[in-house]
Amino acid sequence: DGGITQSPKYLFRKEGQNVTLSCEQNLNHDAMYWYRQDPGQGLRLIYYSQIVNDFQKGDIAEGYSVSREKKESFPLTVTSAQKNPTAFYLCASTEQNYNEQFFGPGTRLTVL
Amino acid sequence: GENVEQHPSTLSVQEGDSAVIKCTYSDSASNYFPWYKQELGKRPQLIIDIRSNVGEKKDQRIAVTLNKTAKHFSLHITETQPEDSAVYFCAASEGAQKLVFGQGTRLTINP
Repeated sequence: DGGITQSPKYLFRKEGQNVTLSCEQNLNHDAMYWYRQDPGQGLRLIYYSQIVNDFQKGDIAEGYSVSREKKESFPLTVTSAQKNPTAFYLCASTEQNYNEQFFGPGTRLTVL
Repeated sequence: GENVEQHPSTLSVQEGDSAVIKCTYSDSASNYFPWYKQELGKRPQLIIDIRSNVGEKKDQRIAVTLNKTAKHFSLHITETQPEDSAVYFCAASEGAQKLVFGQGTRLTINP
């Protein structure tokens, strides 16, 4: 199960606070992704990055921000502007010109 | 953009029987269709995938079929076992290495 890691596993946040979720991979993959998973709704794409220092919005980017300063790392910040942030967050990565996405173990965020 | 619909949302079968999950997609340009299995609290893991130049692919008890004309693809699990119980997601590529996922099917195998 190694290769792509996320931390922390569980995260609790008070309303109005920003939090940052970590995603690291040692697979030398070029592309990285952040998904949000809610019960009964599948995986929805928040942001993705195909190369260092470049990223694009997914379907539900409002209230989130990302950076891609290193190939190995793609942190996600959940800002106070995100109205309903309680969810399971999954990070994934894939090789260039290849489709299979490998997922991290996920971070469960709960807003108190 | 691409839209993927998955049915049924829940499926319960007797151990040893077959299970079929179906997905439809909207973008005829999509060319890669993976299926992921997610056990409770775990990460999704790829179980099988198919590309648009192939109509069917098998891997032991699992098979996927693709009908490009009708824009639908299906997952078939034969001789189901208790460890097959999980949530299954289909997906379709939207180009640029993007995947659009279906809503998921919770499969329960009854002993």
